Amino acid sequence: DAKTTQPPSMDCAEGRAANLPCNHSTISGNEYVYWYRQIHSQGPQYIIHGLKNNETNEMASLIITEDRKSSTLILPHATLRDTAVYYCIVRVAGVNRDDKIIFGKGTRLHILP
Amino acid sequence: ETGVTQSPTHLIKTRGQQVTLRCSSQSGHNTVSWYQQALGQGPQFIFQYYREEENGRGNFPPRFSGLQFPNYSSELNVNALELDDSALYLCASSASAGVADTQYFGPGTRLTVL
Repeated sequence: DAKTTQPPSMDCAEGRAANLPCNHSTISGNEYVYWYRQIHSQGPQYIIHGLKNNETNEMASLIITEDRKSSTLILPHATLRDTAVYYCIVRVAGVNRDDKIIFGKGTRLHILP
Repeated sequence: ETGVTQSPTHLIKTRGQQVTLRCSSQSGHNTVSWYQQALGQGPQFIFQYYREEENGRGNFPPRFSGLQFPNYSSELNVNALELDDSALYLCASSASAGVADTQYFGPGTRLTVL
């Protein structure tokens, strides 16, 4: 089972910041938080990841709470092209170094014109 | 630098047939993971190959098998196809097999089983 909880859907006005929340209350100290998004029928696109500190790249910012039990993905100026399903994932290291990604249901983000 | 590529884009098979899907990993990557995504669901992990050996497997039957070649490209083989095997099959490559190694996904192969 996925170790994260996300709202099933969210709306955001074009040009505004989209803030996507994610709960991962059972995260352990060496597990990373990753965000991917998937535009209809395409492969998931990597957005950003972090361990403890807040992270920023050209696509988004990732804010992780101090207790690491939740995080927020911020798209600073949402455009219609940001309409997608956003997956928050905790990376679980398995036996023999296998590195499966366990996807939950994600948040369907609608950007409204 | 090329990204992850998959072939074919679409495929139609009938129940009981066998299928082979192909994935070319991103340059410099030695790890390939395969996922199955049914309509309306998130991707489900099938297995991972690291340096030509299987390095972990999800809850899929043995008729799902794979290979990784010396150039780190990979194949997913599915025998005795069932209707429920209809899905988008995704591969992802990463520089190595670890939680800090970002997996980059290809565009997927859409398999329809009739």
